[in-house]
Amino acid sequence: DSGVTQTPKHLITATGQRVTLRCSPRSGDLSVYWYQQSLDQGLQFLIQYYNGEERAKGNILERFSAQQFPDLHSELNLSSLELGDSALYFCASSTEGTAVGNTIYFGEGSWLTVV
Amino acid sequence: AQSVAQPEDQVNVAEGNPLTVKCTYSVSGNPYLFWYVQYPNRGLQFLLKYITGDNLVKGSYGFEAEFNKSQTSFHLKKPSALVSDSALYFCAVSYSSNTGKLIFGQGTTLQVKP
Repeated sequence: DSGVTQTPKHLITATGQRVTLRCSPRSGDLSVYWYQQSLDQGLQFLIQYYNGEERAKGNILERFSAQQFPDLHSELNLSSLELGDSALYFCASSTEGTAVGNTIYFGEGSWLTVV
Repeated sequence: AQSVAQPEDQVNVAEGNPLTVKCTYSVSGNPYLFWYVQYPNRGLQFLLKYITGDNLVKGSYGFEAEFNKSQTSFHLKKPSALVSDSALYFCAVSYSSNTGKLIFGQGTTLQVKP
């Protein structure tokens, strides 16, 4: 158990809908990351927050948004869902905002299926 | 562009034999290198990392990796494979002092046969 908690574990929704994925980082970790894992794209970095502020942005679609709250939990919002958004979405956390001397721990993921 | 390559989609090895999972990287600046393992329907588990110092890094479950700057490689190794090591292995690199963003390779499936 990495200490990173993600909910829900599984989610099935229809095209055009909106969903919210939730992540609680490890105790004491200030940084949260979101990744998308799909068969054709592999593991893609979406976005990073550090202590409530956006730190880095990757291949995140405009239909997707995220935020980190004062209690450091994070939410990833996916809207106008398309079939191609079906994937495993990982949250990860780390103590600091960089990888220098820092280990990034991953949650178990949220499986999203869009039908 | 920064990238990580895992040239083998699958590696097959017999139990008890040594295993190697290959990884090469291309980054500007100093690389910070990681290996993660993913078991079926599970999240990514951290195995080991190279930040600086000794080129041979030891990690969890008897795994180790060797950083080779001249060959820009960070191969994962284990002296004696177990059937339970069968899983999907990812190499990743971070290169920025401003973000912990990791760039992942495509992954290598390790199959250890009894």
